[in-house]
Amino acid sequence: NAGVTQTPKFQVLKTGQSMTLQCAQDMNHEYMSWYRQDPGMGLRLIHYSVGAGITDQGEVPNGYNVSRSTTEDFPLRLLSAAPSQTSVYFCASRIQGDTEAFFGQGTRLTVV
Amino acid sequence: KNEVEQSPQNLTAQEGEFITINCSYSVGISALHWLQQHPGGGIVSLFMLSSGKKKHGRLIATINIQEKHSSLHITASHPRDSAVYICAARPNYNNNDMRFGAGTRLTVKP
Repeated sequence: NAGVTQTPKFQVLKTGQSMTLQCAQDMNHEYMSWYRQDPGMGLRLIHYSVGAGITDQGEVPNGYNVSRSTTEDFPLRLLSAAPSQTSVYFCASRIQGDTEAFFGQGTRLTVV
Repeated sequence: KNEVEQSPQNLTAQEGEFITINCSYSVGISALHWLQQHPGGGIVSLFMLSSGKKKHGRLIATINIQEKHSSLHITASHPRDSAVYICAARPNYNNNDMRFGAGTRLTVKP
C-alpha cells in the first residue's frame, strides 16, 4: 500500500497565485486532515473531513479551501497565495475514533 | 499559552544514554500521540495511548491522566534515533482536532 501520498513535495509560488496541494490515501480511511508546520510551533489543523462530502474548519482555515468528493482524495486549495502561507503542509488520515494517524511526506511551500 | 508543551526543546545525548522527553497538556484528552519526524521531514506515529504505558522495542511511552503528563523514553539511544519527537493530544472538546507540541529535537552522537 502507498499509504498517504502528497504532491508536490516542493513548490514556489508568487503572491496572488493559486494552487492545489494534492493528498490521496489508499487505506479507506474516513478521516483526513491538513496541517501546516511552522518553525518553533506545533502542527496546526487547517481543515479536516470525516467522510466524502463532509468538511470542516480547523484552527487556521483562512486562505484555504478543501473538498472531499471521494474517500481517497482531499485536496487543499490556496486561492490567492500570501507570504504568510509559506510553510510545510502535511496531510494525514486515520480511521474515525482514537486511532493512529498516518501522515504524508509533506509539501514545502514558499510564497514570494 | 499552547495547550501542549514539550520539554526540552533540544536534547543532545551520547550513544547508549537513556533519554526522556516530557509532554504536558492543559485540556482533557481522549488520547495522546507520540510522533517521530526525521530530517527528511516525514512524520511517523510511534504510540497512541490513553492510559498507562506502552513499549515498542527501545521506546517506552507513559501517561499520567491525573497529572496531564506524558513521557517518551528511549533506552540505549543510537544515532539513528536522532529526529524530532512530537507530542500530540486529541482534546475531549473536539475529537476531530489534534493539538501538537512544538517538538523536541534529539541528537544522539556516536
